[in-house]
Amino acid sequence: ETGVTQTPRHLVMGMTNKKSLKCEQHLGHNAMYWYKQSAKKPLELMFVYNFKEQTENNSVPSRFSPECPNSSHLFLHLHTLQPEDSALYLCASSPRDRGMDTIYFGEGSWLTVV
Amino acid sequence: SQELEQSPQSLIVQEGKNLTINCTSSKTLYGLYWYKQKYGEGLIFLMMLQKGGEEKSHEKITAKLDEKKQQSSLHITASQPSHAGIYLCGAVKMDSSYKLIFGSGTRLLVRP
Repeated sequence: ETGVTQTPRHLVMGMTNKKSLKCEQHLGHNAMYWYKQSAKKPLELMFVYNFKEQTENNSVPSRFSPECPNSSHLFLHLHTLQPEDSALYLCASSPRDRGMDTIYFGEGSWLTVV
Repeated sequence: SQELEQSPQSLIVQEGKNLTINCTSSKTLYGLYWYKQKYGEGLIFLMMLQKGGEEKSHEKITAKLDEKKQQSSLHITASQPSHAGIYLCGAVKMDSSYKLIFGSGTRLLVRP
């Protein structure tokens, strides 16, 4: 238990569906992240939020829409995805989005797009 | 090309043997993280190194960062089946805003 909880753990969606991934952290951190982990690719940073403000968008397609209503919650809204978007999506948090703070990861959400 | 190179990509060792995993960057790093991941699960933080020449240990795992801060090694002594998993190095680059990048990982299997 790392203090970062992701739901759902598994999600199967069609290309025309709209779904959301949820992340919640109980660590009192101010920065939250979304990462994508595909087979045979390094972990890719998608978005960074600090104090609810987006500070990094790593050229992510607009079919992925993040939302950070407060420092404890982070969502990733998904719509009109492609099969190649199937991957493990990891949420993480840290005290700040700068410096060498320890970053804690959730268990991940397995997404399959059919 | 990948910014963080990990080697080897995979490793199979007999229980009780020592092993080393390397992580190399062509650029100076601001800091270096080591994580362990069980397949399909989240990353578990192991250690963080920030100073050149720094070395940290936790139980049977030791990580070092070289003086130039471009290479790190993770050494496991007397490996056990519980050490099996994917080991990932992550680093913050000095020439960017805070962006933690990762290597491709090293898959470790420990045979009983």
